[in-house]
Amino acid sequence: SQKIEQNSEALNIQEGKTATLTCNYTNYSPAYLQWYRQDPGRGPVFLLLIRENEKEKRKERLKVTFDTTLKQSLFHITASQPADSATYLCALDKTGGSYIPTFGRGTSLIVHP
Amino acid sequence: NAGVTQTPKFQVLKTGQSMTLQCAQDMNHNSMYWYRQDPGMGLRLIYYSASEGTTDKGEVPNGYNVSRLNKREFSLRLESAAPSQTSVYFCASSEEAGFGSPLHFGNGTRLTVT
Repeated sequence: SQKIEQNSEALNIQEGKTATLTCNYTNYSPAYLQWYRQDPGRGPVFLLLIRENEKEKRKERLKVTFDTTLKQSLFHITASQPADSATYLCALDKTGGSYIPTFGRGTSLIVHP
Repeated sequence: NAGVTQTPKFQVLKTGQSMTLQCAQDMNHNSMYWYRQDPGMGLRLIYYSASEGTTDKGEVPNGYNVSRLNKREFSLRLESAAPSQTSVYFCASSEEAGFGSPLHFGNGTRLTVT
C-alpha cells in the first residue's frame, strides 16, 4: 500500500541547532515533493518544492533534499529559532507529476530557547 | 489581499442537520480543494475542482457534495451531518491542479457534530 511516513514524535532541539525532519514514502514515484508549515489553529503554508531531478533546494535557512533511490526527503532548518516551532508537513504526488499532492501526517518541531 | 477565506470559523451541528461551508480565493487561481484534518490522520482530500466547471472526488468524498460556483468560490455541503464528520475543514487553491503547484490554504472551519 502507499504510505507517506513522517515521525509522529515531536522533535525537540535547542535554539541555534539544525533541525532535521524526515519524510519517507513507499509505493509512490513522485515527480515532486513539497514541504509546508502549519501553526496551531492555522492552515498549512507552503515552504519549498523540490522536483525529482533536483537533489537539493535551499531557501534562506531552509534546505530540502530528495533521494528517489532511498525514497526519502530531508528538511533542514539551520540556526533554528523558537519561532520555527510548528508542525511540518511533506506532500507528494503519486507519480508523473499530474496528481494532487497527498500529505503526510506531519512532525511537530519544538525549538527551546 | 485576503488569499483564501473560509466561513464560518466554527460550527456545531446536531446529527442529521445540514450545512454549507463557504470558501473564496482572490488569487485568480484555477484549482480549488477541500481537505479535512483529523488527529493522527493528517490532511485528506475530500473533493477538488481542477478548473471552473469541473469537480472530482478525492480520497474521502462520502457524505459530502461540492459546488464550484465561479472561479473564486468553492463550497462544501454536508447534507446530513454525522459525528464522524467532526473535523477541521480546510479549503485551498492553486494555479493548477498537480504539477507541484503550491497550495494556498485558508485557516479552516472547526466543525463539531453532536
